[in-house]
Amino acid sequence: AQKITQTQPGMFVQEKEAVTLDCTYDTSDPSYGLFWYKQPSSGEMIFLIYQGSYDQQNATEGRYSLNFQKARKSANLVISASQLGDSAMYFCAMRPPLGNTPLVFGKGTRLSVIA
Amino acid sequence: DGGITQSPKYLFRKEGQNVTLSCEQNLNHDAMYWYRQDPGQGLRLIYYSQIVNDFQKGDIAEGYSVSREKKESFPLTVTSAQKNPTAFYLCASSRPSYNEQFFGPGTRLTVL
Repeated sequence: AQKITQTQPGMFVQEKEAVTLDCTYDTSDPSYGLFWYKQPSSGEMIFLIYQGSYDQQNATEGRYSLNFQKARKSANLVISASQLGDSAMYFCAMRPPLGNTPLVFGKGTRLSVIA
Repeated sequence: DGGITQSPKYLFRKEGQNVTLSCEQNLNHDAMYWYRQDPGQGLRLIYYSQIVNDFQKGDIAEGYSVSREKKESFPLTVTSAQKNPTAFYLCASSRPSYNEQFFGPGTRLTVL
């Protein structure tokens, strides 16, 4: 069975600083996908970034980058130049090999950006 | 604009009443999902459907029912058998050629 672990219930970061949110995963499948979603207080889930298990390069999307260490089974999210609007819950999720199958989510990390 | 709509945003019901949450998508996605989220927690899968007229139970299906008569629609009924139905419910959709799941804005259900 697949499992996602996010060990940081809450994190604080100063505005304009970088922050790393941890995510480790467990799977026996060689093919999988890893996602990060942001959930502001409004409740919507906003897709941030995706990393495929066979991707050679770490994924980047603007200020978001994914530090993918396959051997360690970690997929940490790095947010550079934090902004007040980054304050939210962040969820790491995994997709099994087959398409159109549900994601498995971690419990999330609440990030608070301080001015 | 394409997307997923969930209605209503807030829903109040008395204990013992069934209630149906709406989820509609115009993204032409084959698969649709229902998740439940409790305060401070992650998302737990209730049901999902990969094609019309077919659906599978997720991790916490007891006390819930679904139907998938149309590709665009995947309503969730919270029955009186659900012991603790007060929660935030999120609907999502996806198709194989895309990596991400798209989410609706959610429905916050409170049972009084």
